[in-house]
Amino acid sequence: KQEVTQIPAALSVPEGENLVLNCSFTDSAIYNLQWFRQDPGKGLTSLLLIQSSQREQTSGRLNASLDKSSGRSTLYIAASQPGDSATYLCAVDPATSGTYKYIFGTGTRLKVLA
Amino acid sequence: DAGVTQSPTHLIKTRGQHVTLRCSPISGHKSVSWYQQVLGQGPQFIFQYYEKEERGRGNFPDRFSARQFPNYSSELNVNALLLGDSALYLCASSLEGAFSGANVLTFGAGSRLTVL
Repeated sequence: KQEVTQIPAALSVPEGENLVLNCSFTDSAIYNLQWFRQDPGKGLTSLLLIQSSQREQTSGRLNASLDKSSGRSTLYIAASQPGDSATYLCAVDPATSGTYKYIFGTGTRLKVLA
Repeated sequence: DAGVTQSPTHLIKTRGQHVTLRCSPISGHKSVSWYQQVLGQGPQFIFQYYEKEERGRGNFPDRFSARQFPNYSSELNVNALLLGDSALYLCASSLEGAFSGANVLTFGAGSRLTVL
């Protein structure tokens, strides 16, 4: 059974720091992995999608990497800003599902202090 | 283009009642998925519909049901509400129903259900 874990559960950093959020999954048979951002009480915004054949994706100050063999993904945020404060969720699409049945982690709550 | 729209945004029900949540996907998207997010947890998959047919069902009781209409909008119904059904219900749409490259799930803002 696929399980997704995110560490740390919460993180507080001063503005300008570079930071890394971690996501691990137990079954390497995945179609893709997506990182989402969720603001309090809101829906999810897709940040980056990494297909199973890819190693990393970049968008602006965000870089996500994927190591399927070790069941790990990292989201790197460069030069953090207070506007980056949110919960970051990773989700995997299990290759066995045949549908968009994403398995989510519990998220990392990020607070960037001005 | 409008994104994924959900209604109502907030609602309060009492135990034993029934609720219907609605979702309109992005224009051109044929797949709709429903997720339940309990406070402090990640979303959990409930259903996926593609071209009006159920493509997947998560580990939820039969009190939960859904359907997709010819215009690809969708309804999630929950009968005999329990306190534990209190959650944010998220709808997501995508172009297609299963892995086909880099299809991205686009989520709506959710419907916050409180069961008293």
